[in-house]
Amino acid sequence: KNEVEQSPQNLTAQEGEFITINCSYSVGISALHWLQQHPGGGIVSLFMLSSGKKKHGRLIATINIQEKHSSLHITASHPRDSAVYICAVITGNQFYFGTGTSLTVIP
Amino acid sequence: DGGITQSPKYLFRKEGQNVTLSCEQNLNHDAMYWYRQDPGQGLRLIYYSQIVNDFQKGDIAEGYSVSREKKESFPLTVTSAQKNPTAFYLCASSIARSNTGELFFGEGSRLTVL
Repeated sequence: KNEVEQSPQNLTAQEGEFITINCSYSVGISALHWLQQHPGGGIVSLFMLSSGKKKHGRLIATINIQEKHSSLHITASHPRDSAVYICAVITGNQFYFGTGTSLTVIP
Repeated sequence: DGGITQSPKYLFRKEGQNVTLSCEQNLNHDAMYWYRQDPGQGLRLIYYSQIVNDFQKGDIAEGYSVSREKKESFPLTVTSAQKNPTAFYLCASSIARSNTGELFFGEGSRLTVL
């Protein structure tokens, strides 16, 4: 049983499309992270959320605590957005990670 | 710039050999972590350390060992007892394990057992 589920697992989009990646979790959390893993393997943190919505450039992250659901949106997608996007939640002292969504944006 | 440095990026090992993966951070973070990543699976916690000279087993600690002699350094040894060591290993740090602050990752080390 995975505490964090992401969908879709794989996503291919044309450049310029609006993209949504979803994350559902089954545990009570204190915060949720959206992470981006580059093809070389390094991971960077995009957002940390505990409520509401955050925006950074073309990226928007939302969270609904009652529904235990978060979404990551990418507006005007670009080939450089191609990466694996990972949802992670913090509960107590523990991090739980989703298996990731592999995004490919085609020019 | 502050960050986490992992080395080597790629490592090949013969069966029966121990190997040590290096992780150094200059973020002044108390908490450090080692994760293993396998295809189709989420990151799994191997070991974590909240403070110098203290560390705790994670979910998959068997066949691994760590040390935390300095705040900046948290090396991971993959021992010959680890049955399936071929994987991608990620080191991470945060201000404190009980803090909901940002998690920082290194670039990873890919270990292949020949």
